[in-house]
Amino acid sequence: GAGVSQSPSNKVTEKGKDVELRCDPISGHTALYWYRQSLGQGLEFLIYFQGNSAPDKSGLPSDRFSAERTGGSVSTLTIQRTQQEDSAVYLCASSLGPPGQVDSPLHFGNGTRLTVT
Amino acid sequence: GQNIDQPTEMTATEGAIVQINCTYQTSGFNGLFWYQQHAGEAPTFLSYNVLDGLEEKGRFSSFLSRSKGYSYLLLKELQMKDSASYLCAVSAVGLSGGSYIPTFGRGTSLIVHP
Repeated sequence: GAGVSQSPSNKVTEKGKDVELRCDPISGHTALYWYRQSLGQGLEFLIYFQGNSAPDKSGLPSDRFSAERTGGSVSTLTIQRTQQEDSAVYLCASSLGPPGQVDSPLHFGNGTRLTVT
Repeated sequence: GQNIDQPTEMTATEGAIVQINCTYQTSGFNGLFWYQQHAGEAPTFLSYNVLDGLEEKGRFSSFLSRSKGYSYLLLKELQMKDSASYLCAVSAVGLSGGSYIPTFGRGTSLIVHP
């Protein structure tokens, strides 16, 4: 079956503009996660959805970042008034079960490479 | 995260065996995962450990010692295509504020040369 799909694959934007990143998880996966990966850094957790609700959004770096999930499926991560430090690869992942279920690993999309100029 | 440590880079020879270590400090440990990430691609799941001991999966094995906060990924009969970054991730209450969301180390870049 299809894996996690993210779009766009690359996005170049000017500082101060808003951007929307989309994630389409594996069908039937109830949990959805957003991480970001900067050069030389590990994956930094941003937000987690179970169904349409976000029990953990503790990783969002500022109030310029927001995300939503609709229909228990597609999720959109929005960054307002982008800054150069927002440049990174934004990775989405989904899992069949909740985070504590270790036999339900994360399946990642290929990410969106965001460059803020 | 700074509570998960892995070497930054390792090199090895094709056909050899390499061991990539991961140490962590946390409370409320739930499980440890290893992922492989080729440059420009998505991380892909390799293995998970919940209990102490060795889990073997073909050429790849992963070991866990919960009392020592230590894991390793063992890659045998190395192939050129094994050149990638290997990410250690820990699911634990102490690292995630209670949600068990996996926290990732910075990854180990493995270079396999002929």
